[in-house]
Amino acid sequence: QKEVEQDPGPLSVPEGAIVSLNCTYSNSAFQYFMWYRQYSRKGPELLMYTYSSGNKEDGRFTAQVDKSSKYISLFIRDSQPSDSATYLCAMSKETSGSRLTFGEGTQLTVNP
Amino acid sequence: NAGVTQTPKFRVLKTGQSMTLLCAQDMNHEYMYWYRQDPGMGLRLIHYSVGEGTTAKGEVPDGYNVSRLKKQNFLLGLESAAPSQTSVYFCASSWLSGGAYNEQFFGPGTRLTVL
Repeated sequence: QKEVEQDPGPLSVPEGAIVSLNCTYSNSAFQYFMWYRQYSRKGPELLMYTYSSGNKEDGRFTAQVDKSSKYISLFIRDSQPSDSATYLCAMSKETSGSRLTFGEGTQLTVNP
Repeated sequence: NAGVTQTPKFRVLKTGQSMTLLCAQDMNHEYMYWYRQDPGMGLRLIHYSVGEGTTAKGEVPDGYNVSRLKKQNFLLGLESAAPSQTSVYFCASSWLSGGAYNEQFFGPGTRLTVL
């Protein structure tokens, strides 16, 4: 069984929609939680990270972590066609955050 | 700054052939990593390095070797390629940890096909 589970989609939404992306995990030792965005045929880039439980907001993006349920979410408000990409959740057990465990990614398409 | 670069971008090998993938970073990062990305599996860590001259195994190290002779370079070797090693390979680097999360910066990837 994978330590991190993520629905691969694909997910298709109209421009302006609110998008919800989610991951579940099984290991309670994870303490750093990240979302990476990966455009087609490019390397991933960090979108947001959160330490332990709680919410973090950055513009149209909000990351939520619920450690009691072992569940993390990324919300995208007012989605744009430029948000079309694969979104990868990632987690780390270590204080350094150096070794990451990734979900398989959710492919998102925002239609104009 | 070029960031993280990878050479080559594409490669086709025959089973049993060997090759080396080169990763270079110009951000003076201590940590470097090699991942592979496969459909349905996500990104999986192959090997990593916490500094010049050091290497360590990740989640899927079998069939690969690495070397970090210079701080800015991290090489991934396949001694005898197998079709199961067909994948997209990503290199990443990050700062030495100061107790907080340190972002990993990824290269553009190398698409490898083993026939």
